[in-house]
Amino acid sequence: RKEVEQDPGPFNVPEGATVAFNCTYSNSASQSFFWYRQDCRKEPKLLMSVYSSGNEDGRFTAQLNRASQYISLLIRDSKLSDSATYLCVVGMRFGAGTRLTVKP
Amino acid sequence: DADVTQTPRNRITKTGKRIMLECSQTKGHDRMYWYRQDPGLGLRLIYYSFDVKDINKGEISDGYSVSRQAQAKFSLSLESAIPNQTALYFCATSDVGGGRAINNEQFFGPGTRLTVL
Repeated sequence: RKEVEQDPGPFNVPEGATVAFNCTYSNSASQSFFWYRQDCRKEPKLLMSVYSSGNEDGRFTAQLNRASQYISLLIRDSKLSDSATYLCVVGMRFGAGTRLTVKP
Repeated sequence: DADVTQTPRNRITKTGKRIMLECSQTKGHDRMYWYRQDPGLGLRLIYYSFDVKDINKGEISDGYSVSRQAQAKFSLSLESAIPNQTALYFCATSDVGGGRAINNEQFFGPGTRLTVL
């Protein structure tokens, strides 16, 4: 079993839709959780850290469930510019990424 | 100027050749990392270094070696390249805040696209 697992998608959604990604992890001792965004052929960049109490940044909400060992990312009111691959990171381990395409 | 730079950006080499990928950073971070990215597999950690005298193997270190020449420089070597090492290689840095057990945001270089024929 991989340490960090994500649904690879792809997710194809219309503009304005709400979309959610989940990521499960196997190491219960993990203490650092992140979501990164990666555009095609570019380097990953931090989207947001994930805190135990959950956190929100504009249209993006991240949550952590330690008991079930998963983190989630919710994107509301999707924009065309949200089209990218979203990478879940636990410690130094990356998930394989979930591809999102937002269509007009 | 970019905070994390990688050279070369693209490289084509032949099986059996020795190749070095270099990474430099101006962020003043102690921690540096090397990852490779393959389609469908995401980023996999090759080696990481928490300071100049610290080198640690990651998930897939076989066939690779690293050198941390200075705080700002971390190089990755393929002693004898093979075709399945064809991939996109990323270097990343992060600071220490929070203690050794805490991982902070990583800042990535632009990547090196390596092709082994």
